[in-house]
Amino acid sequence: DSGVTQTPKHLITATGQRVTLRCSPRSGDLSVYWYQQSLDQGLQFLIQYYNGEERAKGNILERFSAQQFPDLHSELNLSSLELGDSALYFCASSVRASGSNEQFFGPGTRLTVL
Amino acid sequence: AQKITQTQPGMFVQEKEAVTLDCTYDTSDPSYGLFWYKQPSSGEMIFLIYQGSYDQQNATEGRYSLNFQKARKSANLVISASQLGDSAMYFCAMSLNTGFQKLVFGTGTRLLVSP
Repeated sequence: DSGVTQTPKHLITATGQRVTLRCSPRSGDLSVYWYQQSLDQGLQFLIQYYNGEERAKGNILERFSAQQFPDLHSELNLSSLELGDSALYFCASSVRASGSNEQFFGPGTRLTVL
Repeated sequence: AQKITQTQPGMFVQEKEAVTLDCTYDTSDPSYGLFWYKQPSSGEMIFLIYQGSYDQQNATEGRYSLNFQKARKSANLVISASQLGDSAMYFCAMSLNTGFQKLVFGTGTRLLVSP
């Protein structure tokens, strides 16, 4: 158990809908990262937050947004869902915002868009 | 830009034998970190081992060791005494020490350990 929690574990929804994925980082970790794992794109970095502020953006679509709250949990919002958004979404956390330090991953949320 | 290459889509090994999973990387930045993660069929990503670009010695964590060859830009994972529970996908990843710490992943290697 990495100490990072993600809910829900599975999500099935229809095209055009909006969903929210939730992540709680390990105790003491200030940095939260979101990754998407899909069959065609592999594991891709989406966005990073550190202590409530956005720090880095990767291949995140405009239909997607995220935030980190004062209690450090984070939410990833996916809207106008398309079939291609079906993927495993991971949240990871680490102590620092920069420099190499291991990121601990949550169990992931498997999103299926029908 | 950083890039990770894992050329072995799948590897087979017998229980109790050692196996090496290959990883090469590309970056022009001199300061970086290299990571290996394991993803079993249940889907979670498990951190295994870390090697810093300035570390003089190869990293080891139990049965895992990282064969770091900086000049060749390779960071191979060696698993000694394979166990059935080692069957999983293995991902090599890197991040730069400067700037933001996103992980860039390779495509992964599926390891199957047979009895």
